[in-house]
Amino acid sequence: QKEVEQDPGPLSVPEGAIVSLNCTYSNSAFQYFMWYRQYSRKGPELLMYTYSSGNKEDGRFTAQVDKSSKYISLFIRDSQPSDSATYLCAMKGAAGNKLTFGGGTRVLVKP
Amino acid sequence: GAGVSQSPRYKVAKRGQDVALRCDPISGHVSLFWYQQALGQGPEFLTYFQNEAQLDKSGLPSDRFFAERPEGSVSTLKIQRTQQEDSAVYLCASSLAGEKLFFGSGTQLSVL
Repeated sequence: QKEVEQDPGPLSVPEGAIVSLNCTYSNSAFQYFMWYRQYSRKGPELLMYTYSSGNKEDGRFTAQVDKSSKYISLFIRDSQPSDSATYLCAMKGAAGNKLTFGGGTRVLVKP
Repeated sequence: GAGVSQSPRYKVAKRGQDVALRCDPISGHVSLFWYQQALGQGPEFLTYFQNEAQLDKSGLPSDRFFAERPEGSVSTLKIQRTQQEDSAVYLCASSLAGEKLFFGSGTQLSVL
């Protein structure tokens, strides 16, 4: 079993809908949690960066971390066709700089 | 530079050939990482540099993989005697202090 699990999708939603993504993890040492967006043939781009538990909002994006359940979420409001991409969760512990990624969820926003 | 630059973008190698993949990080970024991304998977950590020092190489899959960053800027990932299972996208990332990573577009390696 992988340290970070993520449903591969694809997740198809109509334009304007809320996209809900999540990851579960097994390593209780993870303290920093990130969401990356990756377009085809491009490198991952950082969307959200959170430390420990709680919520963080940035524009249309909201990230939630529940360390007690080892569960993190990303919500995208008012989704646009340009949001169609693969979304990767990533996390790391307090020590070291190595990120552990989930396998990614492919999202399709249909106009 | 404006972003992390990787070259070549695509590399086709015959099994058994050696390859070298280059990464130009964002100017001034101290930390540099290499990740391997198989088709349909998330990136997997290979190695990490702080300036010219390779502080973590725990993700390198075998001794055929070697990375260097001799002057603390440009880095090269070398794969000797390539095998089909080495086919993947190799991503380079840099950061100021190892927290928020900026990725390049990667080198897609195909071993035939």
